[in-house]
Amino acid sequence: KQEVTQIPAALSVPEGENLVLNCSFTDSAIYNLQWFRQDPGKGLTSLLLIQSSQREQTSGRLNASLDKSSGRSTLYIAASQPGDSATYLCAVWNNDMRFGAGTRLTVKP
Amino acid sequence: DTGVSQDPRHKITKRGQNVTFRCDPISEHNRLYWYRQTLGQGPEFLTYFQNEAQLEKSRLLSDRFSAERPKGSFSTLEIQRTEQGDSAMYLCASSYEGHYGYTFGSGTRLTVV
Repeated sequence: KQEVTQIPAALSVPEGENLVLNCSFTDSAIYNLQWFRQDPGKGLTSLLLIQSSQREQTSGRLNASLDKSSGRSTLYIAASQPGDSATYLCAVWNNDMRFGAGTRLTVKP
Repeated sequence: DTGVSQDPRHKITKRGQNVTFRCDPISEHNRLYWYRQTLGQGPEFLTYFQNEAQLEKSRLLSDRFSAERPKGSFSTLEIQRTEQGDSAMYLCASSYEGHYGYTFGSGTRLTVV
């Protein structure tokens, strides 16, 4: 059974810092990995989708990498802003999508 | 196309009542998924449809839960005889197959009192 773990569970940083969120998964036989953002009480917003044949994807200040063989992905956020405060969820897909518990990010002005 | 729509956004119900939620997926998407999320946890898979066929159900989906997707368009999730433990956010997502990522709706927050 696929297990997805996200570290840290919570992170607080001052505005402007670069930061890395980590995701690990136990079964490397995945088709893709997706990073989502979730604001309190809201649904999930897709940030980046990495197909299994890809190593990374970039969107603006976000960069996500994927190392299937080691079962790891990282989400890099450059020059963090208070508006980045949210929970970030990692999910892997192999016939169904399995989620980690998320990293709750707080960016202080 | 405005994405995945869920209705209602919030539902408060008394224990023992039945509730029904609706999800309208992105029209081009053939797959539709239901997830449940409790506070501080990631979403947990409940069930999914490919077109109108319900292909998989989680063991989390007890006999009190039923989902339908008539004509392969919108879907409904019904919970009968609600219990306090059913209080959660119910999320719907759709995709074209699964390879291209999921698009989620805003969710329905259920509170059972």
